[in-house]
Amino acid sequence: AAGVIQSPRHLIKEKRETATLKCYPIPRHDTVYWYQQGPGQDPQFLISFYEKMQSDKGSIPDRFSAQQFSDYHSELNMSSLELGDSALYFCASSSPGLAGPSYEQYFGPGTRLTVT
Amino acid sequence: AQKVTQAQTEISVVEKEDVTLDCVYETRDTTYYLFWYKQPPSGELVFLIRRNSFDEQNEISGRYSWNFQKSTSSFNFTITASQVVDSAVYFCALSERRNQGGKLIFGQGTELSVKP
Repeated sequence: AAGVIQSPRHLIKEKRETATLKCYPIPRHDTVYWYQQGPGQDPQFLISFYEKMQSDKGSIPDRFSAQQFSDYHSELNMSSLELGDSALYFCASSSPGLAGPSYEQYFGPGTRLTVT
Repeated sequence: AQKVTQAQTEISVVEKEDVTLDCVYETRDTTYYLFWYKQPPSGELVFLIRRNSFDEQNEISGRYSWNFQKSTSSFNFTITASQVVDSAVYFCALSERRNQGGKLIFGQGTELSVKP
């Protein structure tokens, strides 16, 4: 079965650089979520999109922005990178429910970002 | 406010032992969803189960079973006859119905180590 695809899998950037992470949801899934997981931490919700509109926002720094495109893939743009941005970034997708997202989220393999 | 607590940071068992991972949650919503995810050393997050707040039936899937008790706000996970491949970090998570975005609030995770 098709899974969530994230690219790149690994990314090394220097401080103050920018990074773009991409997420391709499972086919026919219309909701995308982004999470950040620091070392030894639990995943923290950043932002979500439902039918290409932002549906919720968590603890996402102003330096980060994201969008969902017409083909439902999503990109997380990160600027002015800081050492503390080093983390595993997960994208998850969910399928349509009767009234909005179905709440069952399937995660991609993650992008490991290292900022030096 | 919503919160998920996994009081057990680390658990170590010997193969074939049964082990229970505890999860306690807090929410003001009457409709919510509870999840368990497995994160093996490779890093991906693997969906294990979703439970709706209005369905208190316990569930068994092979060696895995889940005990949902609304009276104590707990959603515990038991692995019977544990195996080395069960070694991973296990996260309990909560999603509230009123939050149309469906974001997941994770517990701190329990690292399970199964020794041969």
